Amino acid sequence: DIVMTQSPDSLAVSLGERATINCKSSRSVLYSSDSKNYLAWYQQKSGQPPKLLISWASTRESGVPDRFSGSGSGTDFTLTISSLQAEDVAVYFCQQYYTTPLTFGQGTKVEVK
Amino acid sequence: EVQLLESGGGLVQPGGSLRLSCAASGFTFSSYVMSWVRQAPGKGLEWVSTISENGDNTYYTDSVKGRFTISRDNWSSTLSLQMNSLRGEDTAIYYCAKPERQWEQLCSFDFWGQGTLVTVSS
Repeated sequence: DIVMTQSPDSLAVSLGERATINCKSSRSVLYSSDSKNYLAWYQQKSGQPPKLLISWASTRESGVPDRFSGSGSGTDFTLTISSLQAEDVAVYFCQQYYTTPLTFGQGTKVEVK
Repeated sequence: EVQLLESGGGLVQPGGSLRLSCAASGFTFSSYVMSWVRQAPGKGLEWVSTISENGDNTYYTDSVKGRFTISRDNWSSTLSLQMNSLRGEDTAIYYCAKPERQWEQLCSFDFWGQGTLVTVSS
């Protein structure tokens, strides 16, 4: 199984400041045949199901604010919130869909400092 | 509008059974692989099972193999999960999840239901 490890487990950021979440996979999720990274990011607010933010490591979903961005390739990925807003308080998960079993990171809790 | 509505959760004793259902609408259900993902209280997300578009192929995480059975009815756009021999570690919210692209098993999930809580306890 591909193990997804996120860091940090939690972080507190002042409103308007940058939040950075890292995700590392135990092996590459870059598919050589299409040069795509099979990596997604989700946001989960308290009491709600996860919401897809980014797929293919860096493609923002429709309606997702552009303060959210994804980067990285191979085994190392980053989700950046460029200017934290109060509504961004949530737990964020990365997920690989390179192979089954599909696996998720343990989650990173983002709070306002 | 895509909607996924899970039902069937509840309290069950260890060793017992439950059947979860997910009523789908707002998309061509028969064109999508469908999955169940669970989340233990206060914990992370765990993929449980996936079924192909026509139901011919099914996949399970190791911890539920032989105990859980995923199925679908494309006529009624319903996804099901039969859970037998339940254990305490199966306690979780179970989400029905739709992939972002048709005909794709290896895919991100763009829609999730609200989930149904399964509690396994004596």
